This record gives sequence, structure tokens and C-alpha cells, in this order.
Amino acid sequence: EAQVTQNPRYLITVTGKKLTVTCSQNMNHEYMSWYRQDPGLGLRQIYYSMNVEVTDKGDVPEGYKVSRKEKRNFPLILESPSPNQTSLYFCASSPQTGVAYEQYFGPGTRLTVT
Amino acid sequence: TQLLEQSPQFLSIQEGENLTVYCNSSSVFSSLQWYRQEPGEGPVLLVTVVTGGEVKKLKRLTFQFGDARKDSSLHITAAQPGDTGLYLCSRGANNLFFGTGTRLTVIP
Repeated sequence: EAQVTQNPRYLITVTGKKLTVTCSQNMNHEYMSWYRQDPGLGLRQIYYSMNVEVTDKGDVPEGYKVSRKEKRNFPLILESPSPNQTSLYFCASSPQTGVAYEQYFGPGTRLTVT
Repeated sequence: TQLLEQSPQFLSIQEGENLTVYCNSSSVFSSLQWYRQEPGEGPVLLVTVVTGGEVKKLKRLTFQFGDARKDSSLHITAAQPGDTGLYLCSRGANNLFFGTGTRLTVIP
């Protein structure tokens, strides 16, 4: 089944403890992206990647890191999480870069930082 | 930030009623997408519109892209409980921006 998977789905952690949220897609998509979704603020893009070893900042990159060493994986790294990073995170992939290609979203990761 | 404003923010209607939700921007965009997100899931693409004045239909859903390509609307005819969800508009190519969404509840 073609899909985007994220792990873990739920995570509760403490301030300053490094964590990684994994994202993997099995559709051979070039483009991958991370978003956070907060009440009243909608979906905001954190980072995106147009291909292996190519990553760019989105709207809200502060406090996050990403890497794209393989086409299928795009992990999101929080080196020192803070409570304001408590949010619902989505990974997405798209067949190609450029205008108006469909984004395929993962099921989301709910992160709580205490 | 390329602001996308969606209205209304919340909408609660009875099954069978019609409704329209809106997505507006102060700048022109080359294309716009509409997604629907159900609780506990990621957004799912409904449609992409690219031409000013374009109208696309998806069963009971009608999407329109404004002539000036600054706004779009989604009209639902005879809403059903299965239409309940968060409707999001999105613009951009690689650096994508989403509106804050319209949360629709259709009451049986």
C-alpha cells in the first residue's frame, strides 16, 4: 500500500531531551516536507526537501533540524525540545517538486514537551 | 508570510443544507489546492485549481478559482455528515502555505 508513515504517533517528553520523529514514504517521491499544526494557526511548514541531500527552510524552522540521506526517509530532529514545540506534526511527500502536485500526508505525530 | 484567510472559521449546519466556504489572499497565486482533514488523520487532497475563473466539480462539491486568482470558494450541495471535517486551502510550489481552515460540522 502506498503510504507515508510516521513514528512515533504519540510522544511525551521533557524539555531538553533530544528526540527524532521518523518519516518514510514508499512511493519513490522526490519531495518531502514537515509541518506542524496548532489551533488557530493552521498548518505551517517547518522544512522541505526537493531531493536527496537538498533541504530548505519553511515558515517555522527554528528549533528543528532535518536530513535527507535517502529518498524514502526524512527524519525531523528536535535537538533541545521546548514546551512551545508541543504540537501535532505531519510529514508529507509529493511525486515531484514544483507547482500544485498533490501532497500525501502521514497520520501525524502528537508531541507534548513538558 | 503569504497569508491565506479562510472563512468562516467554524460552520455547523443540518444535513441537507448548502454551504460555501472561502479562501482569500491579497496576492495572486498560480494555483490553489483544497484539502479535507478528518479528526486523527492527515489532510487529503480534494482538488487543484490553476486557471482564473476555473470551476471544478467533485460530486456535491464545487470549487471555483477567482478570475483574478486571489480567491477561491468551495460550495457543498446537500451536505452530509460524511462531509464533516477541516477544509484547508493551500498555495505554493515547494514552500507551501496553508490557510487556518474552516471546521465544518454536519448534523444528522
